[in-house]
Amino acid sequence: AQKITQTQPGMFVQEKEAVTLDCTYDTSDPSYGLFWYKQPSSGEMIFLIYQGSYDQQNATEGRYSLNFQKARKSANLVISASQLGDSAMYFCAMREAYNTNAGKSTFGDGTTLTVKP
Amino acid sequence: DVKVTQSSRYLVKRTGEKVFLECVQDMDHENMFWYRQDPGLGLRLIYFSYDVKMKEKGDIPEGYSVSREKKERFSLILESASTNQTSMYLCASSPPLGRIYGYTFGSGTRLTVV
Repeated sequence: AQKITQTQPGMFVQEKEAVTLDCTYDTSDPSYGLFWYKQPSSGEMIFLIYQGSYDQQNATEGRYSLNFQKARKSANLVISASQLGDSAMYFCAMREAYNTNAGKSTFGDGTTLTVKP
Repeated sequence: DVKVTQSSRYLVKRTGEKVFLECVQDMDHENMFWYRQDPGLGLRLIYFSYDVKMKEKGDIPEGYSVSREKKERFSLILESASTNQTSMYLCASSPPLGRIYGYTFGSGTRLTVV
């Protein structure tokens, strides 16, 4: 069974600094996708970044990058130059590949990030 | 630019009522999902659907059913609402070839059962 672990319930970062949110995963599938989502206080989940298990390079999307270490089964999110608007809950998720009909995801418990001015 | 719409943002229902949560997407996505979100428990999958009239149970289907009569609409039904179903319900959709696409979520429905 798939499992996602986020060990940091809450994190603080100073505005304009970088922050790393941890995520480890467990799966027996060789092919999978890893995702990060942001949930502001408004409640809507926003897709941030994707990393495929066979991708050779770490994914980047603007100020977001994913530090993918396959052997360690970790997929940490790095946010550079933090902004006040980055304050939110962040979820790591994994999506199975073989069931290509649906590709349901497993989510971690989330990390609440607070950016201090 | 709304792509996944959940019919209600907040809902208060009484114990024993039959409750319908509606979700509509305008992106022609094959896959649709219902999750519930509770503090400390993350997101848990209730049901999902990969085609019209097709549905599969997720991790916590007990007390729920779903309906997908049209591609764009995926309804979650609480057959007889109970207080332990008080939660935030999130609907999501995605294209096929699921592993390479993130979900698009609706804004959520916060349901309170009294």
